[in-house]
Amino acid sequence: ILNVEQSPQSLHVQEGDSTNFTCSFPSSNFYALHWYRWETAKSPEALFVMTLNGDEKKKGRISATLNTKEGYSYLYIKGSQPEDSATYLCVITPQGGSEKLVFGKGTKLTVNP
Amino acid sequence: SAVISQKPSRDICQRGTSLTIQCQVDSQVTMMFWYRQQPGQSLTLIATANQGSEATYESGFVIDKFPISRPNLTFSTLTVSNMSPEDSSIYLCSVLRVLNTEAFFGQGTRLTVV
Repeated sequence: ILNVEQSPQSLHVQEGDSTNFTCSFPSSNFYALHWYRWETAKSPEALFVMTLNGDEKKKGRISATLNTKEGYSYLYIKGSQPEDSATYLCVITPQGGSEKLVFGKGTKLTVNP
Repeated sequence: SAVISQKPSRDICQRGTSLTIQCQVDSQVTMMFWYRQQPGQSLTLIATANQGSEATYESGFVIDKFPISRPNLTFSTLTVSNMSPEDSSIYLCSVLRVLNTEAFFGQGTRLTVV
């Protein structure tokens, strides 16, 4: 069974703080890694899809890195804002490519004003 | 991209009853999926909804409990049948336009069974 682990489970930061969270996955069963942002009562929204070892992607204040050899990805948020409050999901496409995504439990971020 | 309208957004249901959740996509898509997130757990794939044929269910999920319809390439329904409190979850539909690219999701249905 492919297991995607995210840590921490939840996180409270102050507005302006920078923060990061981790996703780990089995490096032997990996094709692509996705990060999604999921606000309550809204659709999960894709932030990044990464496939290559050493990939780094950035969207505004949010960036992500990928290490496929050791099986982890970091998501960074610089200068957190209250509107960044959401659950951040790490999702894996298993090796060989598949439509069946495997989800982590998510990291719930709360940014206090 | 794809925009998905999912209804209802939430419901509170009596045990033993059934609830049908609908997802409407703004364009035709081949691959459509239904997920469940139980409290404290990951999103888990229930089934793949195939147009013109029966849905393909994952281990632990059966058609009698979660019947799925896919009458065309823009619409699908998931029914949660004979509900019990253990069915209290968020149910989410999803589509993939291209394999191994980002997925698109509905807004989710938060179901509470009392």
